[in-house]
Amino acid sequence: ETGVTQSPTHLIKTRGQQVTLRCSSQSGHNTVSWYQQALGQGPQFIFQYYREEENGRGNFPPRFSGLQFPNYSSELNVNALELDDSALYLCASSPAGTDFSPLHFGNGTRLTVT
Amino acid sequence: SQQGEEDPQALSIQEGENATMNCSYKTSINNLQWYRQNSGRGLVHLILIRSNEREKHSGRLRVTLDTSKKSSSLLITASRAADTASYFCATDVSYSSASKIIFGSGTRLSIRP
Repeated sequence: ETGVTQSPTHLIKTRGQQVTLRCSSQSGHNTVSWYQQALGQGPQFIFQYYREEENGRGNFPPRFSGLQFPNYSSELNVNALELDDSALYLCASSPAGTDFSPLHFGNGTRLTVT
Repeated sequence: SQQGEEDPQALSIQEGENATMNCSYKTSINNLQWYRQNSGRGLVHLILIRSNEREKHSGRLRVTLDTSKKSSSLLITASRAADTASYFCATDVSYSSASKIIFGSGTRLSIRP
């Protein structure tokens, strides 16, 4: 089975720009969660998508938005980038919407905002 | 905000020794999970323990859960150099129609040869 893949692996953007990160979920998984991980910290929950709808959101401003597509792949969009947005962005998939299955992570996108 | 907090923040032991990491959390949970992360890569699920379980084993891993104290511990026996990584506990938090998995701040484990 194919695991979770994220693209790009690294990205450098300038403050104020917009960025789109992409995630392909593991085969058979219909739920995707996005996390932001600053250096030396634990992953912070951004939001979760289930069957193409946002299914829960963490404490992130509206300039963080997402999409899930019919094939369960997902995008994370961040507008008006700030220096503090520099982090590792992790996507994780799981096989169901609200049960508590383990998450399967991709290797992340390292975003640097200058 | 962090639901779980790991202790210690960093741990350095000799290869072959046992490593114990602790996790405390704030609210009631349905289950608690432990994940491992190598050097800025994705997290890998290690073990899940449900709220009605007290202890679980998987290979060299032993996890305990004390819901009365809202704490868990992860024991890695006979450590190896390859166990060098960051370890995170994660708890599920339910709200409205969704649940989310919240991670702690992690323990950075270093195994000395």
